[in-house]
Amino acid sequence: DQQVKQNSPSLSVQEGRISILNCDYTNSMFDYFLWYKKYPAEGPTFLISISSIKDKNEDGRFTVFLNKSAKHLSLHIVPSQPGDSAVYFCAARYSGSSGGSYIPTFGRGTSLIVHP
Amino acid sequence: DAGVIQSPRHEVTEMGQEVTLRCKPISGHDYLFWYRQTMMRGLELLIYFNNNVPIDDSGMPEDRFSAKMPNASFSTLKIQPSEPRDSAVYFCASSLADRANSPLHFGNGTRLTVT
Repeated sequence: DQQVKQNSPSLSVQEGRISILNCDYTNSMFDYFLWYKKYPAEGPTFLISISSIKDKNEDGRFTVFLNKSAKHLSLHIVPSQPGDSAVYFCAARYSGSSGGSYIPTFGRGTSLIVHP
Repeated sequence: DAGVIQSPRHEVTEMGQEVTLRCKPISGHDYLFWYRQTMMRGLELLIYFNNNVPIDDSGMPEDRFSAKMPNASFSTLKIQPSEPRDSAVYFCASSLADRANSPLHFGNGTRLTVT
């Protein structure tokens, strides 16, 4: 039972255009969301995050949007660059009374290819 | 600033052999995680430690898998005996504190191939 879903395994975009990566979640308890970026032969690295009290967080070319009612978030990359080609993982966490409540649940990832 | 260090980077072994993966977390981090990445299941959490104590090992697939953290700077994930379906990339990650805004720092992984 996947609680965090990335339904598009891959996405191809032209350099300079917008890349939109989507993520859906099922657990309404999730209150913090993160995006990680992974290059081949490397581990995932943290990219950007958003708390459930916000609906948008921006960092340079990267913006994450959160729609809590739809249990949906998206990562926008504008403009896309060839160096953005990587696998992007969506992750979600929730607060809780017991220890370990902040352990993230990851989606399966979306492979982004940005063509020059 | 050294990140999370994993060894070996690649491991090829025959079915039935014992495999030991190693991890050195970032100094000062008090949480350590072992993840496995496969095409079918993506990134799945196997086990995590807090202050060297295993907290949740519910993700460990079978008794063939075991993990230890004898001190704050070292952890191992052992598979005995290994099987071809264990072939995957295994990641170790560490984080500073159990806070929602504390991201995980991943190592570069160990690619395990069991023939």
